Amino acid sequence: DQQVKQNSPSLSVQEGRISILNCDYTNSMFDYFLWYKKYPAEGPTFLISISSIKDKNEDGRFTVFLNKSAKHLSLHIVPSQPGDSAVYFCAALNTGNQFYFGTGTSLTVIP
Amino acid sequence: EAGVTQSPTHLIKTRGQQVTLRCSPISGHTSVYWYQQALGLGLQFLLWYDEGEERNRGNFPPRFSGRQFPNYSSELNVNALELEDSALYLCASSLRINYGYTFGSGTRLTVV
Repeated sequence: DQQVKQNSPSLSVQEGRISILNCDYTNSMFDYFLWYKKYPAEGPTFLISISSIKDKNEDGRFTVFLNKSAKHLSLHIVPSQPGDSAVYFCAALNTGNQFYFGTGTSLTVIP
Repeated sequence: EAGVTQSPTHLIKTRGQQVTLRCSPISGHTSVYWYQQALGLGLQFLLWYDEGEERNRGNFPPRFSGRQFPNYSSELNVNALELEDSALYLCASSLRINYGYTFGSGTRLTVV
């Protein structure tokens, strides 16, 4: 039962352009959402998060948008840099502190 | 500051055997989480320990178990290994009220 879905397994973007990674969820009880970035052979690293009471959170080049009615969140990276090439996981957290992860989107930023 | 450390990094076991994976959290972190990342699947939540107690458990059979020690390090035990247990097992730690989880690099388990 995949409660958090990332329907695009891969994405390629030119350097300097915007990268948009999407994530959908099914459980309206999730109250916290996070994005993680993972390089090969490393564990995921926390990138940015958003509480369900907000619809936007910004941190430098990274912005996460949450649309609760559509059960959809997205991560925007502007401008994209080659070092951003990695796998990005979105995750949702319920009140039991249990994570549900998407399957990841592999981002390639082309120089 | 040392990050989350996991050992071993790679492991090969035979079906039916038992395995123990270890995790040392970041100093000061009291919560430890275990995840399984199997090929083609997202990260699946296994277990959450905080202050030595099991706080939550994912949808895995009882042969997956673990514990947290007084120094907050943790072990994940898997009994009666099956081929589908082959995966990357990730450990993460956090302060109890901090959602900024830090992951280790994982243990790659192969069951043959």
